[in-house]
Amino acid sequence: DGGITQSPKYLFRKEGQNVTLSCEQNLNHDAMYWYRQDPGQGLRLIYYSQIVNDFQKGDIAEGYSVSREKKESFPLTVTSAQKNPTAFYLCASTPRAGSKGELFFGEGSRLTVL
Amino acid sequence: RKEVEQDPGPFNVPEGATVAFNCTYSNSASQSFFWYRQDCRKEPKLLMSVYSSGNEDGRFTAQLNRASQYISLLIRDSKLSDSATYLCVVNSAGTASKLTFGTGTRLQVTL
Repeated sequence: DGGITQSPKYLFRKEGQNVTLSCEQNLNHDAMYWYRQDPGQGLRLIYYSQIVNDFQKGDIAEGYSVSREKKESFPLTVTSAQKNPTAFYLCASTPRAGSKGELFFGEGSRLTVL
Repeated sequence: RKEVEQDPGPFNVPEGATVAFNCTYSNSASQSFFWYRQDCRKEPKLLMSVYSSGNEDGRFTAQLNRASQYISLLIRDSKLSDSATYLCVVNSAGTASKLTFGTGTRLQVTL
């Protein structure tokens, strides 16, 4: 079955440590996105990639980094520079960069910084 | 003012009731509109797009009012399984990278 797989589902990290969240899709979608969700706030865009080897900052990119070496994969690194990293992270994709609507989401990764 | 505003709720309704949610948006140039459903601690999933003329999908009806800059979602004959958070999503520039999510309205349907 086609879909988006995020791992790990739950992650605990000590302050000052970098952590990488995995996102893999087998939908053959061109565009991929990373969002963060906090209680009482809407989803906020961290980074997005419209094509392999290219990505752009979203609204809250500071303290995060990404890569897009393969079409299927768009990992997100939460660096120690991110001041408040505890959140629910969602990876999503759309068939092509100009897609207006439906985002296909992974099940999310819940990061807690101790 | 937030770009997309929703009443967070919760809306507590009995099974069989009709319930409506509104969502206002600030960017008059917004081009497309959606309702997503998010179950507790799960990912959002597209419920329906919202078209200018209004549209219906079973028990769900979505309306758009461009003049007043709001969209609405009406759920008829509520089921227990409708309990979830409903996210209003607005696209201001015609690409998925410009989607703005509301904070969501929580619905709890009870027996």
